[in-house]
Amino acid sequence: EDQVTQSPEALRLQEGESSSLNCSYTVSGLRGLFWYRQDPGKGPEFLFTLYSAGEEKEKERLKATLTKKESFLHITAPKPEDSATYLCAVHPGGYQKVTFGIGTKLQVIP
Amino acid sequence: DGGITQSPKYLFRKEGQNVTLSCEQNLNHDAMYWYRQDPGQGLRLIYYSQIVNDFQKGDIAEGYSVSREKKESFPLTVTSAQKNPTAFYLCASSIGSVKTGELFFGEGSRLTVL
Repeated sequence: EDQVTQSPEALRLQEGESSSLNCSYTVSGLRGLFWYRQDPGKGPEFLFTLYSAGEEKEKERLKATLTKKESFLHITAPKPEDSATYLCAVHPGGYQKVTFGIGTKLQVIP
Repeated sequence: DGGITQSPKYLFRKEGQNVTLSCEQNLNHDAMYWYRQDPGQGLRLIYYSQIVNDFQKGDIAEGYSVSREKKESFPLTVTSAQKNPTAFYLCASSIGSVKTGELFFGEGSRLTVL
């Protein structure tokens, strides 16, 4: 069974304090790993897709990386507006099903 | 602007009642999905549809029903058979099988059973 584990469950950072969120996965043949951002009471917003180990994607203060067993979402010099829950998901390919992790709730304090 | 519209945003239901959640998209996407989100759990797939007049059960389809009569619309009915319907429901769409993981979500509908 495909599994996605995100850590930590919650993270509190001071504005400007860089850190990383982790997504560990177990899947039979990874077709894609996805990162989403979700604000309270809203639907998730797609951020990145990573397809193979060694791949990196960047968007503003966010950088996602992928290895064969995990992905990291690095947040450089975060701002309060980066506060949200970040979701990781994997697609094993073939059958149309994506498995989501529970998410990491990030709070950036001014 | 293209996107996914879910309605209503908040819905209250008495036990024993069926309710229908609306989902409309103008992105011209072939695939549409319904997910359920509960605290402390990842998004769970209820139903999905790849094309009009065709849909498949996800992981937690019991107590739910859907239809896909138009490409733009994918309504979800929460029936009285769903034992624990209070949750946040999310509709999503994707271009197709190639980029299934790149999902576009609506704003969600929060259902509360009284």
